[in-house]
Amino acid sequence: AQSVTQPDIHITVSEGASLELRCNYSYGATPYLFWYVQSPGQGLQLLLKYFSGDTLVQGIKGFEAEFKRSQSSFNLRKPSVHWSDAAEYFCAVGAETNFGNEKLTFGTGTRLTIIP
Amino acid sequence: EAQVTQNPRYLITVTGKKLTVTCSQNMNHEYMSWYRQDPGLGLRQIYYSMNVEVTDKGDVPEGYKVSRKEKRNFPLILESPSPNQTSLYFCASSFEPSGVSPLHFGNGTRLTVT
Repeated sequence: AQSVTQPDIHITVSEGASLELRCNYSYGATPYLFWYVQSPGQGLQLLLKYFSGDTLVQGIKGFEAEFKRSQSSFNLRKPSVHWSDAAEYFCAVGAETNFGNEKLTFGTGTRLTIIP
Repeated sequence: EAQVTQNPRYLITVTGKKLTVTCSQNMNHEYMSWYRQDPGLGLRQIYYSMNVEVTDKGDVPEGYKVSRKEKRNFPLILESPSPNQTSLYFCASSFEPSGVSPLHFGNGTRLTVT
């Protein structure tokens, strides 16, 4: 079974600083990887996804993530954060099966606080 | 506008009083699922559905029921709610299975069971 670890529960960064949120996964085959963002009082919104191909993927709102198979990681980055990026971020891993019941497993989330 | 609509947004109830949280999507998605979000635990899948009349248990199905009689609707039923079901609930839909396809989420239902 797949699993996801987000080791940082809470991160605080200054507006304009760079950001990296960590995500490590466990899965035997090539995973399907996602980052979602949850703004206060909202549902989750997809930031970006990785299925195959180029290991550096671009997402919305200026975010990017890099898939590193050797490290089982899929870290999320942004070169310069804005106050509106304050939210909770979830990494998720999925897998393809032959049964049509593929499940998505979420990490526990990282809460991002932006200070002026 | 493509969306997943959950109702109600907030619900306070008492132990044992049956309740239903509705979920509807307008994207003609075949796959729908319910999650609960608890602090420190992330999102955990309760039930999912692969099509009309096809549902299966997720990771934490105890105490919940679902039905999928129409493609667009996927209600979550708590027949006898208990305080440990106090949580934030999300419905989601996708074009393909949830493990391989981006999910579209509703805005959530915050349930308190006293």
